[in-house]
Amino acid sequence: DAGVIQSPRHEVTEMGQEVTLRCKPISGHNSLFWYRQTMMRGLELLIYFNNNVPIDDSGMPEDRFSAKMPNASFSTLKIQPSEPRDSAVYFCASSLRRRGSGELFFGEGSRLTVL
Amino acid sequence: AQTVTQSQPEMSVQEAETVTLSCTYDTSESDYYLFWYKQPPSRQMILVIRQEAYKQQNATENRFSVNFQKAAKSFSLKISDSQLGDAAMYFCAYRSARGAQKLVFGQGTRLTINP
Repeated sequence: DAGVIQSPRHEVTEMGQEVTLRCKPISGHNSLFWYRQTMMRGLELLIYFNNNVPIDDSGMPEDRFSAKMPNASFSTLKIQPSEPRDSAVYFCASSLRRRGSGELFFGEGSRLTVL
Repeated sequence: AQTVTQSQPEMSVQEAETVTLSCTYDTSESDYYLFWYKQPPSRQMILVIRQEAYKQQNATENRFSVNFQKAAKSFSLKISDSQLGDAAMYFCAYRSARGAQKLVFGQGTRLTINP
């Protein structure tokens, strides 16, 4: 079975440019999460969706960040305009929301570098 | 809010020896799940082991086992017969059994295996 698929794997852009990160969750999973990983702050939850509906976006740093999930098989995280401090690895993860451990399955991450 | 603390930024062990990684957490909930994730240099987050808080028996997965002390809010990971492929960052994570499905991560412990 295909795991969580993220694209691009690497993105280098200049400050002020728009960045769009994409995620395809595991088929049948109904929860999707966007995490950011940096050396200074570790793994931070940015936003998560249940059944395509945003549930908690309190981790989104500021208005420059937005996330959408138009359907069960696709989500985007957009940064506009990007800044050097946005440089990080962005992970998408999905899970099946149910009683039980409901482990999160992670994609390989998108490494973003903003110059 | 729940917090997870890993007090060992780095650990090292000789190949074939046993090592224990520490994790403590803070929560007012009684029903939750705990996880250890491994992140090798490829940066993929891989689930190592999970523990349900309602289970008294410690989880084991081959060479990996946990020591779950609910009253002390402690959840350590023991790796037996360490192998070179075990070298990675290890993250302890907490998830509530009710409500929010998000994982709260510790800061991570970098494990080095010495041949």
